[in-house]
Amino acid sequence: AQTVTQSQPEMSVQEAETVTLSCTYDTSESNYYLFWYKQPPSRQMILVIRQEAYKQQNATENRFSVNFQKAAKSFSLKISDSQLGDTAMYFCAFSNRDDKIIFGKGTRLHILP
Amino acid sequence: DTGVSQDPRHKITKRGQNVTFRCDPISEHNRLYWYRQTLGQGPEFLTYFQNEAQLEKSRLLSDRFSAERPKGSFSTLEIQRTEQGDSAMYLCASSLPAGKGETQYFGPGTRLLVL
Repeated sequence: AQTVTQSQPEMSVQEAETVTLSCTYDTSESNYYLFWYKQPPSRQMILVIRQEAYKQQNATENRFSVNFQKAAKSFSLKISDSQLGDTAMYFCAFSNRDDKIIFGKGTRLHILP
Repeated sequence: DTGVSQDPRHKITKRGQNVTFRCDPISEHNRLYWYRQTLGQGPEFLTYFQNEAQLEKSRLLSDRFSAERPKGSFSTLEIQRTEQGDSAMYLCASSLPAGKGETQYFGPGTRLLVL
């Protein structure tokens, strides 16, 4: 069975700093997809970034980038120049070809002014 | 594109009552997913549909839970004889035809409180 582990329940950083959220996963499959979702307080879940396992190049979306280490089954999220609006719960997630998503327990990120 | 909508947004009910939630996906999405999220946890998969066909149900989905998507558009999730342990946020998501890690777009959720 696939599992997703986020070892940092909560983090705080100052505005404009860079922060890295950790995620490890376990699967026996070779073709899969990894995601970071953001859930702001009392707002709906939105996709931050997506990585296809067969692509070696790390995905980037503006200030958000990932460090995908397939052999180590590691998928961390880096947020550069953090902003107050980045305050949210961040979920690392995994899916395979059937597309049901398996989520980690989340990391609560606070951006401090 | 109005996004995924869910109704109601909040529901308070007494133990033993039945409740029904509705999800309207993005119009061109033929995949629809239900997840449950308890406080402090990530969402957990419950079931999903491709068009009107229910393709998989999690073992979390006891026989008190039933989901339908009769015309391949909106979906309903019914919980019969609610229990306090059913209190959670119920999330719906939709996506384009799958198999390629398609992005799932989430609705705002229905927060259920069973007293």
